[in-house]
Amino acid sequence: GQSLEQPSEVTAVEGAIVQINCTYQTSGFYGLSWYQQHDGGAPTFLSYNALDGLEETGRFSSFLSRSDSYGYLLLQELQMKDSASYFCAVRTGDSSYKLIFGSGTRLLVRP
Amino acid sequence: SAVISQKPSRDICQRGTSLTIQCQVDSQVTMMFWYRQQPGQSLTLIATANQGSEATYESGFVIDKFPISRPNLTFSTLTVSNMSPEDSSIYLCSVESFATGELFFGEGSRLTVL
Repeated sequence: GQSLEQPSEVTAVEGAIVQINCTYQTSGFYGLSWYQQHDGGAPTFLSYNALDGLEETGRFSSFLSRSDSYGYLLLQELQMKDSASYFCAVRTGDSSYKLIFGSGTRLLVRP
Repeated sequence: SAVISQKPSRDICQRGTSLTIQCQVDSQVTMMFWYRQQPGQSLTLIATANQGSEATYESGFVIDKFPISRPNLTFSTLTVSNMSPEDSSIYLCSVESFATGELFFGEGSRLTVL
């Protein structure tokens, strides 16, 4: 089967750094993406890693290790508005090239 | 980027009825994707809608329950048929940027089935 594992919940304080991990087991792999979703809102794209290494976009960075089937999203200088759910997603290698989403990590940022 | 409009944004439906959700994109796209997100859960792909051909359904989803139309390159509909309370969920339409692989989502249609 295909699965993506991520922690269900993470709590951190404003200004801190938090890392959300994602391990995956899929039939084929064409990249790892991260999406943010605020309560009542639509998911929005944060980052995409097709190759090993770190991608940085402002306060957010994403890392991928294909040999370990592992990636993480790093959020720095946390702000209250970062409280949301974060989903990792893998583009699989089957014929439909669909995105499979992880179960999501709910991040709560406290003052 | 793509702007996606979905309607209705929410509805309360009676058991046994059907509801059609509309999705309009501001640009022409080859594939449109329909996802379901149950409260507090992840996103599950229902089907991929291609213009000019039948939709491709994922395991656990069938055309009789979730018929899809794709009459042109900017519009699609998803019907949830013969609804039961288990169909209470958020249904999301999305399109992909082939340049970046990014998925753009509509705001979702929140259905409650009584």
